Amino acid sequence: EAEVAQSPRYKITEKSQAVAFWCDPISGHATLYWYRQILGQGPELLVQFQDESVVDDSQLPKDRFSAERLKGVDSTLKIQPAELGDSAMYLCASSFGTAPYEQYFGPGTRLTVT
Amino acid sequence: GQQVMQIPQYQHVQEGEDFTTYCNSSTTLSNIQWYKQRPGGHPVFLIQLVKSGEVKKQKRLTFQFGEAKKNSSLHITATQTTDVGTYFCAGAGTYKYIFGTGTRLKVLA
Repeated sequence: EAEVAQSPRYKITEKSQAVAFWCDPISGHATLYWYRQILGQGPELLVQFQDESVVDDSQLPKDRFSAERLKGVDSTLKIQPAELGDSAMYLCASSFGTAPYEQYFGPGTRLTVT
Repeated sequence: GQQVMQIPQYQHVQEGEDFTTYCNSSTTLSNIQWYKQRPGGHPVFLIQLVKSGEVKKQKRLTFQFGEAKKNSSLHITATQTTDVGTYFCAGAGTYKYIFGTGTRLKVLA
């Protein structure tokens, strides 16, 4: 069964450093999502792509976060500089299209900022 | 902006008891999805509801979408230890989903 791939699975970084996460969606999925999940809370949408275009990034802290999906396939989420409050699980998900298609989540990247 | 709340936040049940979680949106939804996240895992899609008043069943799980399309519920009959996890609803206004706060279920054997 096809899965969403993410790397790294775990990342420990010091505050003020740069960090990047990678996501490879299920083949053929046009929509890609990056979510941030703080322990005990629901996933919060950071950015949504349709192919290579950003559909929504209203909750993305653009002063320090950036996301790209250059060829409409895999995607990278970057944080620079990292802050202590960025410690969370970063989840990537993909779907065949925008709502109402089901989302398939990757295993996530657990980020700890020290 | 749109908000999606779930109650209760936590629920502990004895194995064999029933469980229900409720999802309420501040705005009318076009559709709603339910996900299950096991401890240490990632959300896994369970089901999607689109029509007003829709009811869907998956074995011991029953999902309902409210008539006004602003609320939904998930009911588990005769819980089992394999039901442990956090259940999230995700409501869509137009093209994006807002996840609820989740209900964490613990099942005591």
